[in-house]
Amino acid sequence: NAGVTQTPKFQVLKTGQSMTLQCAQDMNHEYMSWYRQDPGMGLRLIHYSVGAGITDQGEVPNGYNVSRSTTEDFPLRLLSAAPSQTSVYFCASSEFGTGARQPQHFGDGTRLSIL
Amino acid sequence: ILNVEQSPQSLHVQEGDSTNFTCSFPSSNFYALHWYRWETAKSPEALFVMTLNGDEKKKGRISATLNTKEGYSYLYIKGSQPEDSATYLCAFKVRSSGAGSYQLTFGKGTKLSVIP
Repeated sequence: NAGVTQTPKFQVLKTGQSMTLQCAQDMNHEYMSWYRQDPGMGLRLIHYSVGAGITDQGEVPNGYNVSRSTTEDFPLRLLSAAPSQTSVYFCASSEFGTGARQPQHFGDGTRLSIL
Repeated sequence: ILNVEQSPQSLHVQEGDSTNFTCSFPSSNFYALHWYRWETAKSPEALFVMTLNGDEKKKGRISATLNTKEGYSYLYIKGSQPEDSATYLCAFKVRSSGAGSYQLTFGKGTKLSVIP
């Protein structure tokens, strides 16, 4: 099994551009989430999904959009990139049956720079 | 926004030393506490998920305890090895209702460096 796969691994954007970070998992996990990691900060939740067709906002959702049309995929869209969105982005998935009592499986991250 | 504190922020230990660090979280409405190990240039890897007051978990030389009444968890590493060098994250989940209630709040981590 590949686990959680994120693409691309690195990306440089110009301010105002849009792009989609891809996340796919092959473990049939109901729960998927996106985090951002900034220096001096813990992982902060952007958006999450508890199943196909169900998404919700996390702590820092502004400037990001998500959808969940399949169990496997959970793309994160930057609508109009801003320098403040320069960060490392992690996608994670887990079983959902008992809420947050299942460990999360993380992808390798996407390092995004906005110029 | 919930506050999850980890201490110390970083520490250096000699190979063979045992060490421990702390995760503090709000003691009310506790639901779950996660520990992750995060090596440089890799992704976080789950160590433990703890749910009951008094829980003790062990994985090799690494163990963890949980006190939900006072709001802390300890992670212990016995006989540290250079391969234990990593950032150790804890994450806390408060009890809430509804389908959209799965949100983990992460601490900033404790960075451990084991000197050979």
